[in-house]
Amino acid sequence: GQQVMQIPQYQHVQEGEDFTTYCNSSTTLSNIQWYKQRPGGHPVFLIQLVKSGEVKKQKRLTFQFGEAKKNSSLHITATQTTDVGTYFCAGIRSNDYKLSFGAGTTVTVRA
Amino acid sequence: SAVISQKPSRDICQRGTSLTIQCQVDSQVTMMFWYRQQPGQSLTLIATANQGSEATYESGFVIDKFPISRPNLTFSTLTVSNMSPEDSSIYLCSVKTGPTYEQYFGPGTRLTVT
Repeated sequence: GQQVMQIPQYQHVQEGEDFTTYCNSSTTLSNIQWYKQRPGGHPVFLIQLVKSGEVKKQKRLTFQFGEAKKNSSLHITATQTTDVGTYFCAGIRSNDYKLSFGAGTTVTVRA
Repeated sequence: SAVISQKPSRDICQRGTSLTIQCQVDSQVTMMFWYRQQPGQSLTLIATANQGSEATYESGFVIDKFPISRPNLTFSTLTVSNMSPEDSSIYLCSVKTGPTYEQYFGPGTRLTVT
């Protein structure tokens, strides 16, 4: 079955620093989505990437979809305490609607 | 997007019993899903709840253990049957509302089986 790998599992960041989380799929994806789950909360949709090589930005967050549509990254600049949580990537295969979630990257921030 | 509620928000149950979790959406949606999230882990899809027909289960999940109903386009239930401590988890419903593929999640039901 489809596997979506995500690294790192944990990211401890000094406030103001940047970090990146990476996702890699064993198969080509039709699109990839990113979700954020705050501690004690539920996953919240952030963004969807569909095109090969696509780059999208949301304020300090930059999302990329690889040229081969098998990998993706989320880069956060100038990390703030509000960025605390777990970030999940989730891929969809062609002609399917089911999400396959990565393991998640749990981010903690040192003030 | 959609506003999704789940009942109960949490429960503590004895092994061997069953619990039914409800998911209510504030608008008609095309697809509803049920996920399990074990403590500190990622989300695993249990099944797709199909309106008017049997749910579609993922590998490792069976109808006898996790019967699902979806009587209309705004409501679904998931029953966790004959529970054991290994069923302790957060159960989440999600919905797909339109032609795009993003999903919106309910607040989850935290189940502890003793």
